[in-house]
Amino acid sequence: KAGVTQTPRYLIKTRGQQVTLSCSPISGHRSVSWYQQTPGQGLQFLFEYFSETQRNKGNFPGRFSGRQFSNSRSEMNVSTLELGDSALYLCASSLLASRTNTGELFFGEGSRLTVL
Amino acid sequence: GQQVMQIPQYQHVQEGEDFTTYCNSSTTLSNIQWYKQRPGGHPVFLIQLVKSGEVKKQKRLTFQFGEAKKNSSLHITATQTTDVGTYFCAASGSARQLTFGSGTQLTVLP
Repeated sequence: KAGVTQTPRYLIKTRGQQVTLSCSPISGHRSVSWYQQTPGQGLQFLFEYFSETQRNKGNFPGRFSGRQFSNSRSEMNVSTLELGDSALYLCASSLLASRTNTGELFFGEGSRLTVL
Repeated sequence: GQQVMQIPQYQHVQEGEDFTTYCNSSTTLSNIQWYKQRPGGHPVFLIQLVKSGEVKKQKRLTFQFGEAKKNSSLHITATQTTDVGTYFCAASGSARQLTFGSGTQLTVLP
């Protein structure tokens, strides 16, 4: 069974540009979450999508957005990039649909974004 | 939003010594999960605890969930070099959103 696939793995952008990251969850997983990981802030929750609907959103500015498609694949977009957006962006999929329990999260390898 | 405090931030141990990392929340948790991230890798799920006072073991790893469901610990007995990595707790409160602790980076010296 294929794992969570994230593309691209690495990318370099300059300030002011925008970026789109893609995530393909494990087959059958309908929940996709996005996290930002930085050395100083650890793993910060961005948002979660389930059946094409955003279920939860973290405390990030509106420049960070996402969506989920009918096949459960998800994309996140960051507009007007800032230096502080440099981070590893992790996508995780899960099977459980409980209101209070995500169940086990399966993480992808991440997309490492560098903003110059 | 919910906050989860994890200590220590770093831990260096000699191979064969024990290791413990702790997570604390000011609010009652619905459940808590533990993940391990190897250097250069991604977080990998270890376990989930749901019940008050729950204790689960995986070989040399022992996980505990406090009676009040506000704290949790991960204890590794007789560490090995393969245990190197960062250990994260991740907690859910009343909402589904998982909040990760800041992680404990474990170094095992041979």
